Amino acid sequence: GAVVSQHPSRVICKSGTSVKIECRSLDFQATTMFWYRQFPKQSLMLMATSNEGSKATYEQGVEKDKFLINHASLTLSTLTVTSAHPEDSSFYICSASRQTNTEAFFGQGTRLTVV
Amino acid sequence: GESVGLHLPTLSVQEGDNSIINCAYSNSASDYFIWYKQESGKGPQFIIDIRSNMDKRQGQRVTVLLNKTVKHLSLQIAATQPGDSAVYFCAEIEAGNQFYFGTGTSLTVIP
Repeated sequence: GAVVSQHPSRVICKSGTSVKIECRSLDFQATTMFWYRQFPKQSLMLMATSNEGSKATYEQGVEKDKFLINHASLTLSTLTVTSAHPEDSSFYICSASRQTNTEAFFGQGTRLTVV
Repeated sequence: GESVGLHLPTLSVQEGDNSIINCAYSNSASDYFIWYKQESGKGPQFIIDIRSNMDKRQGQRVTVLLNKTVKHLSLQIAATQPGDSAVYFCAEIEAGNQFYFGTGTSLTVIP
């Protein structure tokens, strides 16, 4: 299968700072990338869908200004958690797919802890 | 459709037995479905997929069944092994390539 690399795998930051998480498709071009948030022992919750070169589509209830998504190229999408607070602590996972209606490949996830 | 954030149901099976994990999806317009396996602290891994024009698909030790009438998906794992212990999610893919995940099931294999 294709490889999606997510970085960093763990990050601890102070409340009020911003954190950037990168998602890279290493051996394929990703038309679409997805960002999920996962709380302990819960399912993945889709935050937003991003297509290269266009604005991300956010799910209802997800703050666009807080979770900034940039999909600048076909192999890189970034999620920036701005002015992070302890309640933003979570496991964030990205996925990427080559084209519409095909398998999505997942990154390893990023454990964000805001102190 | 929306992904849901509920606490995971659990399933415990004896090593060597067959496991059946169920998933209800929400959107009758979804035409592609995937089962993922997620181990603790890792991202989900693809197991098997099925398109809406099929009702059954088999892989290595796994079978996915799709019942579009009642919007139900199941994953059957034959001869369950300790390495199968993980959380299993189904995903429904809607037009426009939106992936939504079901609640997931935590599978524990008892040696």
